[in-house]
Amino acid sequence: DIQMTQSPSSVSASVGDRVTITCRASQGISSWLAWYQQKPGKAPKLLIYAASTLQSGVPSRFSGSGSGTDFTLTISSLQPEDFATYYCQQANSFPYTFGPGTKVDIK
Amino acid sequence: EVQLLESGGGLVQPGGSLRLSCAASGFTFSSYAMSWVRQAPGKGLEWVSPISGSGDSTYYADSVRGRFTISRDNSKNTLYLQMNSLRVEDTAVYYCAKGYHTISGSVIGFDYWGRGTLVTVSS
Repeated sequence: DIQMTQSPSSVSASVGDRVTITCRASQGISSWLAWYQQKPGKAPKLLIYAASTLQSGVPSRFSGSGSGTDFTLTISSLQPEDFATYYCQQANSFPYTFGPGTKVDIK
Repeated sequence: EVQLLESGGGLVQPGGSLRLSCAASGFTFSSYAMSWVRQAPGKGLEWVSPISGSGDSTYYADSVRGRFTISRDNSKNTLYLQMNSLRVEDTAVYYCAKGYHTISGSVIGFDYWGRGTLVTVSS
């Protein structure tokens, strides 16, 4: 199985900050990586698929990059509604594994 | 508008069974793979099982293989998860999720999720 890791596990940031989250796969997954945002008590929301393609309706302050084993999610200017937990997920091969999550909270 | 509504969760004793349902609307259900994803309290996401649009292809995470069975009824636009031999570690919110497909049909993410149904396994 492909193992996914994320760093940091949590980050404290202020509104307006640039935030970068890293996701690493234990083996190459090409660009088959998705990012999700989850707020407490809510279902996850797809932000980015295929490593860098923004899902419809997602603000352009979110961006993704990477291929192979190393990927990043960047929030260019953190907004109050962005405080949440972010998960990466590989879609290269079964089982589709998720990273452990990165919690973005208020500094 | 796409909607996914899970039901069937509840409290069950270890070794017991439950069947979860997910009623779908707002899209051509039979054209899309669906999955169950779970989240234990305070923990991360775990992909449990997918099923193809036709229902003829399934897969299971090692943690549930041999105990859970995924199925779908395309005439009723409903996804199911039959859970047998439940364990305490199966306690989680179970989400159904719609697969987001490439043109070739590969699932590269999940673009719609239900609100989830809580399964608690405890004596």
